[in-house]
Amino acid sequence: EVQLVESGGGLVQPGESLRLSCGASGFTFSSYWMTWVRQAPGKGLEWVANIKQDGSEKYYVDSVKGRFTISRDNAKNSVYLQMNSLRVEDTAVYYCVGSAFEYWGQGTLVTVSS
Amino acid sequence: QAGLTQPPSVSKGLRQTATLTCTGNSNNVGNQGATWLQQHQGHPPKLLSHRNDNRPSGISERFSASRSGNTASLTITGLQPEDEADYYCLAWDGSLSAWVFGGGTKVTVL
Repeated sequence: EVQLVESGGGLVQPGESLRLSCGASGFTFSSYWMTWVRQAPGKGLEWVANIKQDGSEKYYVDSVKGRFTISRDNAKNSVYLQMNSLRVEDTAVYYCVGSAFEYWGQGTLVTVSS
Repeated sequence: QAGLTQPPSVSKGLRQTATLTCTGNSNNVGNQGATWLQQHQGHPPKLLSHRNDNRPSGISERFSASRSGNTASLTITGLQPEDEADYYCLAWDGSLSAWVFGGGTKVTVL
């Protein structure tokens, strides 16, 4: 059974940092691009970033460029999202996604508020 | 990054057919095709179709996707109460090097 389990969300103040983690199991993690997608409360889905199988290519939505960094550790079947300089508008449920949007975690809530 | 255009809502009767549209441009939908997701309230999205009409195993044949030019479509035949959900399209935009989402369509089964 495929599982993606996110962790690391929480309540932070504007300007602070968080690191999200996502552990994968049930599929060959190292064979797939991995993606982070977020959803603000009551809003639609927004692609945040993705990373190639070997980590050699990374892409970001414009609004997080220079603030967020995606990375992965294939030995640990894990993907990460380092989020710096957080803004109120980054408040959302962050989903870890694998295999061309076929595998989804349950999401972790990030709340940025003073 | 500009998103894809979806109608905010579609309402159809039980067992009827609903067709959802997703309009982009030649850099995204027109080039790479569209992926479709279904999201029920309070749950993560579920993949319905990848790049036009590649359905994952377990997805009902009542869901079919297609594309004409820069517009992708998702057709749901024989609407059932469990089809009430939000439906999102997305596509890779080669000029932006980014995935772009549509705003989502809320389907109501009357």
